Amino acid sequence: SQQGEEDPQALSIQEGENATMNCSYKTSINNLQWYRQNSGRGLVHLILIRSNEREKHSGRLRVTLDTSKKSSSLLITASRAADTASYFCATVPFGSGSARQLTFGSGTQLTVLP
Amino acid sequence: DGGITQSPKYLFRKEGQNVTLSCEQNLNHDAMYWYRQDPGQGLRLIYYSQIVNDFQKGDIAEGYSVSREKKESFPLTVTSAQKNPTAFYLCASSIIEASEAFFGQGTRLTVV
Repeated sequence: SQQGEEDPQALSIQEGENATMNCSYKTSINNLQWYRQNSGRGLVHLILIRSNEREKHSGRLRVTLDTSKKSSSLLITASRAADTASYFCATVPFGSGSARQLTFGSGTQLTVLP
Repeated sequence: DGGITQSPKYLFRKEGQNVTLSCEQNLNHDAMYWYRQDPGQGLRLIYYSQIVNDFQKGDIAEGYSVSREKKESFPLTVTSAQKNPTAFYLCASSIIEASEAFFGQGTRLTVV
């Protein structure tokens, strides 16, 4: 079952512009994570934001979390051609035990044009 | 260098064959996972293991089997019971469940 759903499915921007991707989820979470995947490769972890946090930054990345709306956004500022990749949100449900596994959305394909 | 290694990178399976995908990590992580990714889609959890000699089914375990005899290793066998095995398979590990996951580079399995 997919918990997170990204929006848009595909995004094309010019180099230097900002890119914003959104993620919505259905149930209460322990944390939400964003990952990046270059074509045909494994995923790389970008940021983890806990349910009691509202915003986190890492370099050119800014993640926000709104638990009342069950949504998160990933902002990439001053985008570069090398940012071209698929971006996935993944949620860990609130609670304990074997149900606390990462559940991935279907991803946003970002293309940054030079 | 610490990391997670999957092999082979490409694998071809004939109808009715079992094949095993290797996943090894030297990060000293307790938790390990297998995901399947189909074209243009997200990842779906096949199996996961939180500790040696223990593993749990994920959302799409039918037709797959795993073992966790060593902390470092979590091989996945795609059996002949898996009717549509062509996909990209990703192995991951994390210090504990629910924490940041580290992924291997994937194995692309094709049925011929």
